[in-house]
Amino acid sequence: DTAVSQTPKYLVTQMGNDKSIKCEQNLGHDTMYWYKQDSKKFLKIMFSYNNKELIINETVPNRFSPKSPDKAHLNLHINSLELGDSAVYFCASSQGPLGPNWETQYFGPGTRLLVL
Amino acid sequence: RKEVEQDPGPFNVPEGATVAFNCTYSNSASQSFFWYRQDCRKEPKLLMSVYSSGNEDGRFTAQLNRASQYISLLIRDSKLSDSATYLCVVNIGDTDKLIFGTGTRLQVFP
Repeated sequence: DTAVSQTPKYLVTQMGNDKSIKCEQNLGHDTMYWYKQDSKKFLKIMFSYNNKELIINETVPNRFSPKSPDKAHLNLHINSLELGDSAVYFCASSQGPLGPNWETQYFGPGTRLLVL
Repeated sequence: RKEVEQDPGPFNVPEGATVAFNCTYSNSASQSFFWYRQDCRKEPKLLMSVYSSGNEDGRFTAQLNRASQYISLLIRDSKLSDSATYLCVVNIGDTDKLIFGTGTRLQVFP
């Protein structure tokens, strides 16, 4: 059973399109995250949700809109895609501030986005 | 200055060698420290947490020096399967926001 899953695994699209990436975790965690890993392999947090509430928003352009329908899901919608959005996007989850080992984050397999 | 800095490597070492990585962090308020491992084209996975007293897990030893603001990872008796990128990770304060270094690449050869 996959703990943190993402779809799609690969996404190739044209500039200007709108696309969504989905993430689901079956670990019962309260907190979920989106990270972006660029071509230089630098992994940077974009958003964090705790129990469907946004708690971290790291100065990401407002073309990126996360949505958490429930605490097991955190989706990422990207409008008007740009060349610079090409990267690997990782979803992650953790127990959350009140749980044991709360800082340990479990990552999904990543979504490789290529904008042409 | 980057919040978490690592030598990108690559470190090329033969099987059986001992190799050490260092990492420095800029924020003295940092409270928690970790090493994650990322294999090529895979997701990062927690390798070990780093405690002030130092900690060991099999062939891996992690140390924290708060005064000098650096963290180290020592790998003894390197295996081919240790080839990966090792990410130094820091948590500042009470949030669950992790700051990742850019990673140090290790290549173990036969």
